[in-house]
Amino acid sequence: DIQMTQSPSSLSASVGDRVTITCRASQGISDYLAWYQQRPGKGPKLLIYAASTLQSGVPSRFSGSGSGTAFTLTISSLQPEDVATYYCQKYSSGPWTFGQGTKVEIK
Amino acid sequence: QVQLVQSGAEVKKPGSSVKVSCKASGGTFTNFEISWVRQAPGQGLEWMGRIIPIVDFANYAQRFQGRVTITADKSTSTAYMELSSLTSEDTAVYYCGGGQPLPDYWGQGTLVTVSS
Repeated sequence: DIQMTQSPSSLSASVGDRVTITCRASQGISDYLAWYQQRPGKGPKLLIYAASTLQSGVPSRFSGSGSGTAFTLTISSLQPEDVATYYCQKYSSGPWTFGQGTKVEIK
Repeated sequence: QVQLVQSGAEVKKPGSSVKVSCKASGGTFTNFEISWVRQAPGQGLEWMGRIIPIVDFANYAQRFQGRVTITADKSTSTAYMELSSLTSEDTAVYYCGGGQPLPDYWGQGTLVTVSS
């Protein structure tokens, strides 16, 4: 099975900072990559699919890029409501594996 | 607005099975794929499997193969996830998610506790 590896596992940044999370696939997955946000005590929320397409209603400060094996999620200006754990997920053929998550906190 | 409503919390003995339901309303059930994801206490999200109800196709994560069965009843717009041979490591919140194909709508989660 294809493995998904995120980095860092956690980060702390100030309000207004630019935040970047990386996700790597053990094999190429084209752009079959999604990003989810999970706020404390809540269920997951789909943010981005097809590596870079913003889901309807998601603030434009979120963006995604990448293809093949390397992907990034960027928050252009971190807001207090962005405190959450972020997960990448591959959804190419076979199992839809999640990364291990990146916890984002406010400094 | 699509809503997914899951069955209530369960307490199970080791070695037993659990079946969690996920009932959809507000949309066309056969337009969706339903994924099942679980989250053990303090841990990350773990994808278990998914079903495409319109063609009754299901696929599963390797680590649950042989132990999990995902089904869908189109007549009641309900998906089910059954997990057998439970151990304490299966204690988790289980979520269903519906989308085309990625989950955009989520159930409220079902806590399954495995304890002797």
